[in-house]
Amino acid sequence: GENVEQHPSTLSVQEGDSAVIKCTYSDSASNYFPWYKQELGKRPQLIIDIRSNVGEKKDQRIAVTLNKTAKHFSLHITETQPEDSAVYFCAAPRRNYGGSQGNLIFGKGTKLSVKP
Amino acid sequence: KAGVTQTPRYLIKTRGQQVTLSCSPISGHRSVSWYQQTPGQGLQFLFEYFSETQRNKGNFPGRFSGRQFSNSRSEMNVSTLELGDSALYLCASSTTGGVNSYEQYFGPGTRLTVT
Repeated sequence: GENVEQHPSTLSVQEGDSAVIKCTYSDSASNYFPWYKQELGKRPQLIIDIRSNVGEKKDQRIAVTLNKTAKHFSLHITETQPEDSAVYFCAAPRRNYGGSQGNLIFGKGTKLSVKP
Repeated sequence: KAGVTQTPRYLIKTRGQQVTLSCSPISGHRSVSWYQQTPGQGLQFLFEYFSETQRNKGNFPGRFSGRQFSNSRSEMNVSTLELGDSALYLCASSTTGGVNSYEQYFGPGTRLTVT
């Protein structure tokens, strides 16, 4: 069945260091991979996404890489800051009843702590 | 555009009771998905509605049900509440199709406590 595995479940880094979170997915037909950030007491918010026709996408200090052959994708945060502390979720499309790609199945999340 | 809204924001119920939660999507969005969030379990998918039809369903018991109205607003109902149903219930909306159809925008959630 469909599955999204996310590692690590917790990650602690020193301010200024880089952080990497990895996810694997099971459906080889998946073509959209978003990352969400959820700060304490707030709703998840989309921070970056990548589609299967590219291998990497960057947005300032955040980047996502995709390896379709290995069916894994990663979130990279450089020069981490205390405000990056949050829970990060990866996701991939879920199959609808009719087999088409539908909404999202999420990984279990990574709690990132950035120490000043 | 106004964001996704959910009501009520907080709810306290007793075991055995039932509860109805409401979600209003972003204007123009026709898909509404519901998730249960508990510590350590991440975002567990309940169901998705698109144009008033259930398009997908997660692995939750039949006590959890939902519906969508013609204006795309959605409700979810939990009957015979159990202590384990205490959670943050999030809804998310997305557009009808095209390359942006997977982008989901979350509401603030309804915090349900069952005592």
